[in-house]
Amino acid sequence: GEDVEQSLFLSVREGDSSVINCTYTDSSSTYLYWYKQEPGAGLQLLTYIFSNMDMKQDQRLTVLLNKKDKHLSLRIADTQTGDSAIYFCAESTDKLVFGAGTILRVKS
Amino acid sequence: DTGVSQNPRHKITKRGQNVTFRCDPISEHNRLYWYRQTLGQGPEFLTYFQNEAQLEKSRLLSDRFSAERPKGSFSTLEIQRTEQGDSAMYLCASSRSTGGLMNTEAFFGQGTRLTVV
Repeated sequence: GEDVEQSLFLSVREGDSSVINCTYTDSSSTYLYWYKQEPGAGLQLLTYIFSNMDMKQDQRLTVLLNKKDKHLSLRIADTQTGDSAIYFCAESTDKLVFGAGTILRVKS
Repeated sequence: DTGVSQNPRHKITKRGQNVTFRCDPISEHNRLYWYRQTLGQGPEFLTYFQNEAQLEKSRLLSDRFSAERPKGSFSTLEIQRTEQGDSAMYLCASSRSTGGLMNTEAFFGQGTRLTVV
């Protein structure tokens, strides 16, 4: 079945890099996504990677995909206090399946 | 197009009452999804439509829940005889897809927060 797992919490200092990790189970996933959710807000699509790619860079965000190990990571360079939020990894075939989310806390 | 729109944003209801939520997807999107999110959890899949056809329903969707997308545009999610355990954020998303797989990004609305008292 489909399952997505993430670590629950990450704390970093402002200006450092953050790396959020995710593992998934469905090898037929077509896209893998990272969403951001701030308190009381909806889900904001941050970035996504097609399953035949192994890296995607978008400004401060770098997504790495290891399809063999079914491992996805999101690196945020120069982390800012405004990056504090919950980050969700999701895999997709015909629908999105989400992890439980990683709480990112940025200390100033 | 202003994105996925959900109404109402908040709903407080007494246990046993029926509630209905509405989702207006991005206009050119043929796929529409409903998810439920409780505190500390990721969104859980409920059901999805391709155009007007409901293609999959989760086991989470008990017989008190029904969703429709009558003309392949907006969708409604109705919960009958609400229970306190139904309290959650109900999220709608849309995407453009061909064939069986998602092949574009899915965009979410702001959600409807349901509180059952």
